[in-house]
Amino acid sequence: GNSVTQMEGPVTLSEEAFLTINCTYTATGYPSLFWYVQYPGEGLQLLLKATKADDKGSNKGFEATYRKETTSFHLEKGSVQVSDSAVYFCALSDNGGATNKLIFGTGTLLAVQP
Amino acid sequence: DAGITQSPRHKVTETGTPVTLRCHQTENHRYMYWYRQDPGHGLRLIHYSYGVKDTDKGEVSDGYSVSRSKTEDFLLTLESATSSQTSVYFCAIKGLAGTDTQYFGPGTRLTVL
Repeated sequence: GNSVTQMEGPVTLSEEAFLTINCTYTATGYPSLFWYVQYPGEGLQLLLKATKADDKGSNKGFEATYRKETTSFHLEKGSVQVSDSAVYFCALSDNGGATNKLIFGTGTLLAVQP
Repeated sequence: DAGITQSPRHKVTETGTPVTLRCHQTENHRYMYWYRQDPGHGLRLIHYSYGVKDTDKGEVSDGYSVSRSKTEDFLLTLESATSSQTSVYFCAIKGLAGTDTQYFGPGTRLTVL
Protein backbone atom coordinates (compact mmCIF):
# COMPACT_ATOMS: atom_id res chain seq x y z
CA GLY A 1 0.00 0.00 0.00
CA ASN A 2 0.87 3.66 -0.09
CA SER A 3 3.30 4.94 2.51
CA VAL A 4 5.46 7.91 3.49
CA THR A 5 8.89 7.78 5.09
CA GLN A 6 10.50 10.88 6.54
CA MET A 7 13.72 11.41 8.41
CA GLU A 8 13.61 10.96 12.11
CA GLY A 9 14.31 13.84 14.38
CA PRO A 10 14.92 15.78 16.28
CA VAL A 11 16.76 18.08 13.93
CA THR A 12 18.57 20.81 15.83
CA LEU A 13 19.89 23.83 13.95
CA SER A 14 21.22 27.24 14.71
CA GLU A 15 19.32 30.27 13.48
CA GLU A 16 20.04 31.12 9.80
CA ALA A 17 21.20 27.56 9.03
CA PHE A 18 20.01 25.66 5.97
CA LEU A 19 17.27 23.11 6.53
CA THR A 20 16.52 19.87 4.71
CA ILE A 21 13.97 17.35 5.92
CA ASN A 22 13.87 14.27 3.74
CA CYS A 23 10.63 12.64 2.64
CA THR A 24 10.17 9.69 0.30
CA TYR A 25 6.98 7.95 -0.65
CA THR A 26 5.59 4.75 -2.10
CA ALA A 27 2.41 5.07 -4.10
CA THR A 28 0.53 3.79 -7.06
CA GLY A 29 -0.72 6.39 -9.45
CA TYR A 30 0.02 10.07 -9.04
CA PRO A 31 -0.72 11.26 -5.52
CA SER A 32 -0.60 14.85 -4.36
CA LEU A 33 2.13 15.56 -1.82
CA PHE A 34 1.96 17.84 1.20
CA TRP A 35 3.97 19.28 4.02
CA TYR A 36 2.08 20.18 7.17
CA VAL A 37 3.51 21.99 10.20
CA GLN A 38 2.42 21.63 13.80
CA TYR A 39 3.47 24.29 16.29
CA PRO A 40 3.49 23.35 19.98
CA GLY A 41 0.00 22.81 21.34
CA GLU A 42 -1.69 23.45 18.02
CA GLY A 43 -3.28 21.55 15.16
CA LEU A 44 -1.74 20.91 11.77
CA GLN A 45 -1.41 23.72 9.26
CA LEU A 46 -0.84 23.22 5.58
CA LEU A 47 2.63 24.51 4.72
CA LEU A 48 2.83 23.67 1.02
CA LYS A 49 1.70 21.16 -1.56
CA ALA A 50 2.46 19.84 -5.03
CA THR A 51 0.04 17.97 -7.24
CA LYS A 52 2.17 16.60 -10.08
CA ALA A 53 5.71 15.64 -11.00
CA ASP A 54 8.24 18.52 -11.08
CA ASP A 55 5.83 20.88 -9.32
CA LYS A 56 7.45 23.02 -6.66
CA GLY A 57 5.43 24.03 -3.63
CA SER A 58 6.57 27.04 -1.65
CA ASN A 59 5.42 29.08 1.32
CA LYS A 60 7.07 31.21 4.03
CA GLY A 61 10.53 30.54 2.59
CA PHE A 62 10.03 26.76 2.56
CA GLU A 63 10.17 24.82 -0.69
CA ALA A 64 9.69 21.22 -1.83
CA THR A 65 9.81 19.72 -5.31
CA TYR A 66 7.78 16.69 -6.38
CA ARG A 67 10.39 14.27 -7.77
CA LYS A 68 8.73 11.25 -9.34
CA GLU A 69 11.99 9.66 -10.48
CA THR A 70 13.27 9.50 -6.90
CA THR A 71 9.79 9.37 -5.25
CA SER A 72 10.82 12.22 -2.99
CA PHE A 73 9.43 15.51 -1.68
CA HIS A 74 12.19 16.95 0.50
CA LEU A 75 11.48 20.12 2.47
CA GLU A 76 14.08 22.89 2.35
CA LYS A 77 14.56 26.36 3.73
CA GLY A 78 17.58 28.52 3.16
CA SER A 79 17.69 30.27 6.55
CA VAL A 80 15.68 29.00 9.50
CA GLN A 81 14.40 31.11 12.35
CA VAL A 82 13.61 30.26 15.95
CA SER A 83 9.94 30.66 15.05
CA ASP A 84 10.25 27.70 12.63
CA SER A 85 10.63 25.32 15.57
CA ALA A 86 7.80 22.83 15.14
CA VAL A 87 6.98 19.31 14.00
CA TYR A 88 6.85 18.85 10.23
CA PHE A 89 4.78 16.13 8.58
CA CYS A 90 5.06 14.88 5.03
CA ALA A 91 1.87 13.38 3.61
CA LEU A 92 0.39 12.06 0.42
CA SER A 93 -3.18 12.03 -0.75
CA ASP A 94 -4.43 8.56 -1.47
CA ASN A 95 -6.28 9.29 -4.69
CA GLY A 96 -8.21 6.05 -4.72
CA GLY A 97 -11.61 7.55 -5.36
CA ALA A 98 -12.84 10.94 -4.25
CA THR A 99 -12.24 10.48 -0.56
CA ASN A 100 -8.61 11.66 -0.72
CA LYS A 101 -7.43 10.07 2.48
CA LEU A 102 -4.10 11.42 3.70
CA ILE A 103 -1.23 9.13 4.60
CA PHE A 104 1.31 10.73 6.91
CA GLY A 105 4.92 10.23 7.76
CA THR A 106 5.86 10.00 11.42
CA GLY A 107 6.84 13.64 11.73
CA THR A 108 10.17 15.41 12.23
CA LEU A 109 10.75 17.71 15.15
CA LEU A 110 12.78 20.79 14.25
CA ALA A 111 14.40 22.81 17.03
CA VAL A 112 16.08 26.06 16.04
CA GLN A 113 18.41 27.64 18.57
CA PRO A 114 19.20 31.37 18.65
CA ASP B 1 -9.12 29.25 8.94
CA ALA B 2 -11.48 26.50 7.83
CA GLY B 3 -13.98 27.12 10.63
CA ILE B 4 -13.40 23.82 12.42
CA THR B 5 -13.92 23.45 16.14
CA GLN B 6 -13.49 20.39 18.32
CA SER B 7 -14.94 19.69 21.72
CA PRO B 8 -13.89 18.98 24.31
CA ARG B 9 -10.30 20.14 23.89
CA HIS B 10 -9.10 18.01 26.79
CA LYS B 11 -10.67 15.03 28.48
CA VAL B 12 -9.59 12.54 31.11
CA THR B 13 -11.70 9.44 31.50
CA GLU B 14 -11.50 5.95 32.94
CA THR B 15 -11.17 2.63 31.19
CA GLY B 16 -14.51 1.20 30.15
CA THR B 17 -16.43 4.47 29.96
CA PRO B 18 -17.98 5.74 26.73
CA VAL B 19 -16.57 8.94 25.24
CA THR B 20 -17.85 11.11 22.40
CA LEU B 21 -15.77 13.73 20.66
CA ARG B 22 -17.39 16.35 18.49
CA CYS B 23 -16.16 18.06 15.35
CA HIS B 24 -18.09 21.06 14.07
CA GLN B 25 -17.55 22.92 10.81
CA THR B 26 -19.21 26.07 9.58
CA GLU B 27 -18.52 25.94 5.84
CA ASN B 28 -20.73 23.11 4.59
CA HIS B 29 -17.90 20.83 3.50
CA ARG B 30 -18.94 17.37 2.36
CA TYR B 31 -15.91 15.37 3.47
CA MET B 32 -14.83 15.09 7.11
CA TYR B 33 -12.19 12.93 8.75
CA TRP B 34 -11.05 11.75 12.16
CA TYR B 35 -7.36 11.06 12.78
CA ARG B 36 -5.38 10.10 15.85
CA GLN B 37 -1.84 11.30 16.47
CA ASP B 38 0.63 9.15 18.37
CA PRO B 39 4.40 9.41 18.77
CA GLY B 40 6.20 7.37 16.14
CA HIS B 41 3.07 6.98 14.03
CA GLY B 42 2.27 10.43 12.74
CA LEU B 43 -1.45 10.75 12.07
CA ARG B 44 -3.59 7.76 11.21
CA LEU B 45 -7.09 7.81 9.80
CA ILE B 46 -9.83 6.40 12.01
CA HIS B 47 -13.04 7.06 10.06
CA TYR B 48 -14.22 9.46 7.45
CA SER B 49 -17.51 10.76 6.10
CA TYR B 50 -18.50 11.72 2.58
CA GLY B 51 -21.93 13.07 3.42
CA VAL B 52 -24.75 12.99 5.91
CA LYS B 53 -25.13 9.42 7.15
CA ASP B 54 -22.33 8.29 4.79
CA THR B 55 -19.26 7.07 6.64
CA ASP B 56 -16.48 4.54 6.16
CA LYS B 57 -13.59 3.03 8.05
CA GLY B 58 -10.01 4.14 7.97
CA GLU B 59 -6.78 2.45 8.92
CA VAL B 60 -7.35 2.21 12.70
CA SER B 61 -11.13 1.97 13.15
CA ASP B 62 -11.34 -0.84 15.72
CA GLY B 63 -12.94 0.39 18.94
CA TYR B 64 -14.37 3.54 17.33
CA SER B 65 -17.67 4.45 15.75
CA VAL B 66 -18.82 7.65 14.06
CA SER B 67 -22.02 9.39 13.17
CA ARG B 68 -22.96 12.29 10.96
CA SER B 69 -26.59 13.29 11.20
CA LYS B 70 -26.06 16.79 9.79
CA THR B 71 -23.46 18.30 7.52
CA GLU B 72 -21.76 20.42 10.15
CA ASP B 73 -21.19 17.80 12.86
CA PHE B 74 -19.09 14.64 12.82
CA LEU B 75 -19.02 12.66 16.05
CA LEU B 76 -16.41 10.12 17.11
CA THR B 77 -17.43 7.65 19.83
CA LEU B 78 -15.31 5.32 21.88
CA GLU B 79 -17.89 2.84 23.10
CA SER B 80 -15.68 1.54 25.92
CA ALA B 81 -12.46 3.50 26.24
CA THR B 82 -9.16 1.67 26.70
CA SER B 83 -5.73 2.99 27.67
CA SER B 84 -4.51 2.32 24.11
CA GLN B 85 -6.93 5.02 22.95
CA THR B 86 -5.06 7.69 24.88
CA SER B 87 -4.09 10.02 22.06
CA VAL B 88 -4.62 13.37 20.42
CA TYR B 89 -7.57 13.32 18.06
CA PHE B 90 -7.83 15.62 15.07
CA CYS B 91 -10.77 16.32 12.87
CA ALA B 92 -10.24 17.51 9.31
CA ILE B 93 -12.30 18.67 6.38
CA LYS B 94 -11.51 18.51 2.70
CA GLY B 95 -11.43 21.85 1.02
CA LEU B 96 -13.13 23.06 -2.10
CA ALA B 97 -14.44 20.58 -4.62
CA GLY B 98 -11.71 19.54 -7.00
CA THR B 99 -8.93 19.91 -4.44
CA ASP B 100 -7.53 17.27 -2.12
CA THR B 101 -6.16 19.53 0.60
CA GLN B 102 -7.38 18.83 4.12
CA TYR B 103 -7.66 21.41 6.89
CA PHE B 104 -7.41 20.43 10.51
CA GLY B 105 -9.12 21.36 13.73
CA PRO B 106 -7.22 22.22 16.92
CA GLY B 107 -7.36 18.69 18.34
CA THR B 108 -8.68 16.94 21.43
CA ARG B 109 -6.26 15.46 23.93
CA LEU B 110 -7.83 12.33 25.44
CA THR B 111 -6.35 10.48 28.38
CA VAL B 112 -7.80 7.11 29.39
CA LEU B 113 -6.72 6.02 32.87
